[in-house]
Amino acid sequence: ILNVEQSPQSLHVQEGDSTNFTCSFPSSNFYALHWYRWETAKSPEALFVMTLNGDEKKKGRISATLNTKEGYSYLYIKGSQPEDSATYLCAFIGRRQAGTALIFGKGTTLSVSS
Amino acid sequence: DVKVTQSSRYLVKRTGEKVFLECVQDMDHENMFWYRQDPGLGLRLIYFSYDVKMKEKGDIPEGYSVSREKKERFSLILESASTNQTSMYLCARSQQGMTFVNGYTFGSGTRLTVV
Repeated sequence: ILNVEQSPQSLHVQEGDSTNFTCSFPSSNFYALHWYRWETAKSPEALFVMTLNGDEKKKGRISATLNTKEGYSYLYIKGSQPEDSATYLCAFIGRRQAGTALIFGKGTTLSVSS
Repeated sequence: DVKVTQSSRYLVKRTGEKVFLECVQDMDHENMFWYRQDPGLGLRLIYFSYDVKMKEKGDIPEGYSVSREKKERFSLILESASTNQTSMYLCARSQQGMTFVNGYTFGSGTRLTVV
């Protein structure tokens, strides 16, 4: 089973703080990396789908970078707001698994206090 | 917006019962998936299907089966429910060839408790 690691497992920040999370994946077999946001009582929603080394994607205050050679992706949130409180999941699919299914990390749970 | 509908939000079943979890999508998308989510373990893949009557085992298929008789419906079956199958079950779909553009669309989940 391929391993996708996320860190930290959880964190608590104050409103206005900027923060970032890490997702690590097997670098030798990369095909695509997804980020999802999962708010309580809702469905996970896709934030970013990244396929190219050096990719940087942005949606509002949230951005992500991708390094396929070393096998990691960072998710950044600038100026955290209480509505950013959620679990952030990264998911990986390897080239040998293309056409199968995403493998998810355990997630990073963010709590933002006002 | 594409919708993925799971028939029940909460379900309580007895040990040994046969349980059906239904998932319906409103687009003609090929790929459908069943995951379970447990604290500390994240989302784990149970089964997936990339076309009608096709199914593939995921990482934890034991104790489960699936049915896909129509493209829009993908059912997860617990043949004989056990307490260790108490979990949140999530269904997802993706469009063939478009997963790497749009990602997955998830249903709202079914929280199953087996007593």
